[in-house]
Amino acid sequence: LAKTTQPISMDSYEGQEVNITCSHNNIATNDYITWYQQFPSQGPRFIIQGYKTKVTNEVASLFIPADRKSSTLSLPRVSLSDTAVYYCLVGDSVGNTDKLIFGTGTRLQVFP
Amino acid sequence: EAQVTQNPRYLITVTGKKLTVTCSQNMNHEYMSWYRQDPGLGLRQIYYSMNVEVTDKGDVPEGYKVSRKEKRNFPLILESPSPNQTSLYFCASRTVAGGINEQYFGPGTRLTVT
Repeated sequence: LAKTTQPISMDSYEGQEVNITCSHNNIATNDYITWYQQFPSQGPRFIIQGYKTKVTNEVASLFIPADRKSSTLSLPRVSLSDTAVYYCLVGDSVGNTDKLIFGTGTRLQVFP
Repeated sequence: EAQVTQNPRYLITVTGKKLTVTCSQNMNHEYMSWYRQDPGLGLRQIYYSMNVEVTDKGDVPEGYKVSRKEKRNFPLILESPSPNQTSLYFCASRTVAGGINEQYFGPGTRLTVT
């Protein structure tokens, strides 16, 4: 099961693009990569999922290089409400296990 | 409304007094999990279940038990709680259909063991 490593914290200003990178050196061939957002005292909320290359949805983009040993969550034009903790998560897509390791997350602070 | 519910939301108890935290989901999800969250340690998986009567250990299973007798329910049992189990607990569920591994989390249960 791949362990993930992220920066502990990041600061940004409203309107800027934020890129949070996650390292997962031991990712297996069939593992998927997901990102979650968590506000204080709430459960995490799914943002995006990918396996390779680039995925984009209405709130974020996920960039995954060919070797898949890292991934980058990109938040375009952040606002104050994007202040939260962001978790990168690698999971087994084959269905052999649902054991998941969240890691400590990246605390994003957005300033006015 | 599709949701995961947990009860109770807050609980203060004493060392050694058995307790159960209930978790229920109304989305017919196959997979369910329990996590604990502690300051500086992020979310750590306690147990997970991939189907009725199928459960397995997560990262930190010591001191906890679970059962999955029905698809919608996944209670967390602390047979003899200790102060180091004081934490914020989350239940989550997800489906295996559709290729998107999105977990839906409950609102959390804040447990204090004195």
